[in-house]
Amino acid sequence: EPEVTQTPSHQVTQMGQEVILRCVPISNHLYFYWYRQILGQKVEFLVSFYNNEISEKSEIFDDQFSVERPDGSNFTLKIRSTKLEDSAMYFCASSGLAGGPGELFFGEGSRLTVL
Amino acid sequence: AQTVTQSQPEMSVQEAETVTLSCTYDTSESDYYLFWYKQPPSRQMILVIRQEAYKQQNATENRFSVNFQKAAKSFSLKISDSQLGDAAMYFCAYRTYNNNDMRFGAGTRLTVKP
Repeated sequence: EPEVTQTPSHQVTQMGQEVILRCVPISNHLYFYWYRQILGQKVEFLVSFYNNEISEKSEIFDDQFSVERPDGSNFTLKIRSTKLEDSAMYFCASSGLAGGPGELFFGEGSRLTVL
Repeated sequence: AQTVTQSQPEMSVQEAETVTLSCTYDTSESDYYLFWYKQPPSRQMILVIRQEAYKQQNATENRFSVNFQKAAKSFSLKISDSQLGDAAMYFCAYRTYNNNDMRFGAGTRLTVKP
């Protein structure tokens, strides 16, 4: 069964360093998302991406964040200069439909720890 | 703004019994969709059940069913004949018809006792 895969599963970094989280969405999906979940808190929407551009983003997704689909398969989230409060689980998701009843398919997440 | 509230941070149920997880949401939209996702300890969230707001009939998927009360903006999940494998975090989620982002509640951790 097709699935969303994410790497790395866990990354530890020093504050101020750049981090890139990688995702391979389901191959025929067109919509891609990043969510984050700070430990013990709710899952929060960061950004959605369609047709090689951001379609929506939340207030969390500030200038420190960027997304890219560098080739036909990968979808990356870059944090330019990490802060302590960026420590969280980051989930990538993809869907074949925009809005509507289309479910999001999630990866297993990348845990980011900023020291 | 659309918000999703899960008022039960933790619930427990005896194996083979029934448990209901609560969810309420706030929206001014008329067309939207509601979901319950399960997040087992392996971390990946998987869809349990979905409900289209325009449908009056409550969705059912095997042992999982919802009680959708549109006027009350309530969307509870009932798990019948609970199994040990049902133990997980359960997230209620909301999505409008046109928006891409899905809004999640804070989650309910379900423990199943043998």
